[in-house]
Amino acid sequence: QQQVKQSPQSLIVQKGGISIINCAYENTAFDYFPWYQQFPGKGPALLIAIRPDVSEKKEGRFTISFNKSAKQFSLHIMDSQPGDSATYFCAARPGGGSNYKLTFGKGTLLTVNP
Amino acid sequence: DTEVTQTPKHLVMGMTNKKSLKCEQHMGHRAMYWYKQKAKKPPELMFVYSYEKLSINESVPSRFSPECPNSSLLNLHLHALQPEDSALYLCASRPGHRMNTEAFFGQGTRLTVV
Repeated sequence: QQQVKQSPQSLIVQKGGISIINCAYENTAFDYFPWYQQFPGKGPALLIAIRPDVSEKKEGRFTISFNKSAKQFSLHIMDSQPGDSATYFCAARPGGGSNYKLTFGKGTLLTVNP
Repeated sequence: DTEVTQTPKHLVMGMTNKKSLKCEQHMGHRAMYWYKQKAKKPPELMFVYSYEKLSINESVPSRFSPECPNSSLLNLHLHALQPEDSALYLCASRPGHRMNTEAFFGQGTRLTVV
């Protein structure tokens, strides 16, 4: 059973456009939602993260929107650049940390055309 | 030093070989993780070490044997692997297994079993 559903699987955006990736979760015990960016042949790098007591978090061109009642969260990349081309994973984990296990979405391959 | 360093970057091994993957961090993190990532898939958790003790084993076959010699080092010993074990093996670390912080990932070891 996939606990974090991510869409779309792939996304092509023109330079300067907005990239939007969506995730939905089922487990109400999740209380921390990070996004990872991964370039080919590299490890995932933490991009931005949000907790459910906040509806939006912005860091530079990257914004997470969070809808707790709908159990959905999304990543918006403003003014997308070719250097943003990578695979993006949303993830979620329960609070407390006693059993730390990130549940990842299946990933979105983003291509930003020049 | 804010890096998780993995060696080697690439490894090709036969099914009868014994090899080891190494992970090192000098950030004082006390939780360390091994993940396996197949192409175009999200990382899958294999093992969690908390304060040098194995705390989670995600039902990984015994041909994978983790070891944490000290708080800075994490090894993954490989023996009698199968071609389907070919993947990117990622190490990650966090300040503490129970702390509400996110993980830093290494660049991974690309393993090919022939």
